[in-house]
Amino acid sequence: DVKVTQSSRYLVKRTGEKVFLECVQDMDHENMFWYRQDPGLGLRLIYFSYDVKMKEKGDIPEGYSVSREKKERFSLILESASTNQTSMYLCASSSWAGANVLTFGAGSRLTVL
Amino acid sequence: ILNVEQSPQSLHVQEGDSTNFTCSFPSSNFYALHWYRWETAKSPEALFVMTLNGDEKKKGRISATLNTKEGYSYLYIKGSQPEDSATYLCASPGKAGTALIFGKGTTLSVSS
Repeated sequence: DVKVTQSSRYLVKRTGEKVFLECVQDMDHENMFWYRQDPGLGLRLIYFSYDVKMKEKGDIPEGYSVSREKKERFSLILESASTNQTSMYLCASSSWAGANVLTFGAGSRLTVL
Repeated sequence: ILNVEQSPQSLHVQEGDSTNFTCSFPSSNFYALHWYRWETAKSPEALFVMTLNGDEKKKGRISATLNTKEGYSYLYIKGSQPEDSATYLCASPGKAGTALIFGKGTTLSVSS
């Protein structure tokens, strides 16, 4: 019954490494999102996408990029990881027909050393 | 940037207590208000989506109300149980058809 799958639950990377976080949904949703969650700051929107090859910046896009080559897959890329990117990353998807209710993945906890 | 605020930040109640918390949002250009529950070690799950002023939604012991004119929503839990312990998030889209912006959440702890 898995609907939104994030490729890694836990990752440990070094400063300066390129990091890929993958997210796949099997619900044929049009919209996909990347959020990060930090204590005391809540869920903050990084990037989102309404369609294949389309992307829009959220509130905190600096240091991140995204890729959506297929409808079901939305990747978050950290070009050069930094320690302040240590966080929990949550992917979500939604459908216009479903009142845009988000279905979340299990999260990827990234530690940058 | 849309500002969604929640209060209190955290709450501790005894089993059987009823409780409520608040979500406030800009009343201008309102489109929708979402409530999610996020239990430890799980993913956030949707509770309610409300769009009309005066909307009331209910799921078991949990209910929510919406006042779009004054820009607030209340979430109520009747007879809290330990399994209600979670962080409750509210969210609203910045404008029609855009991504949800979340409040920082209210963390509820229910002791038996």
